[in-house]
Amino acid sequence: RKEVEQDPGPFNVPEGATVAFNCTYSNSASQSFFWYRQDCRKEPKLLMSVYSSGNEDGRFTAQLNRASQYISLLIRDSKLSDSATYLCVTWNSGNTPLVFGKGTRLSVIA
Amino acid sequence: DTAVSQTPKYLVTQMGNDKSIKCEQNLGHDTMYWYKQDSKKFLKIMFSYNNKELIINETVPNRFSPKSPDKAHLNLHINSLELGDSAVYFCASSQDRGTYNEQFFGPGTRLTVL
Repeated sequence: RKEVEQDPGPFNVPEGATVAFNCTYSNSASQSFFWYRQDCRKEPKLLMSVYSSGNEDGRFTAQLNRASQYISLLIRDSKLSDSATYLCVTWNSGNTPLVFGKGTRLSVIA
Repeated sequence: DTAVSQTPKYLVTQMGNDKSIKCEQNLGHDTMYWYKQDSKKFLKIMFSYNNKELIINETVPNRFSPKSPDKAHLNLHINSLELGDSAVYFCASSQDRGTYNEQFFGPGTRLTVL
């Protein structure tokens, strides 16, 4: 079983739609959780951290369910510029590396 | 100003050759990383250095040898290149290890082995 699993998509949605991505992780010792965004042929960039209480940044809302080992990202009012691959990422502690999911591809269509 | 830079951006070479990729960060970070992203887009850590000291060395063939001359630079040398080495290699840096710090990635080096 992969450590971080995501539906690869693609999710093709019209502008203005709301779209949700889910991610599950297998390592119960994971302490921190993030969503990174990677545009086509570009490097990954941090989109937002995910906190236990859930957090929001503009049109983006992230949720964490530790009991189910599940992370979600909700994007409201999708823009064309949201088209990218969204990577679910976990981190344990100390010297351990970030663990990346394979990503979920989103295409927002006009 | 580019925070994390890598050279070259594209590298096309024959099997069996030896090549190097260079990485520099001007963020004053203590920790640097090399990641490999294969054709299936899976991004996997290869190495991590903290203040020029190797702290993570994942299961990577010993044909790959990182070198950190100072904490702002982390280079990757690859000997006897194989077809399976074709991938995008990303360098990244973060402020330090221990607690999570955002990782900043370089633009990537697209390596094609023919």
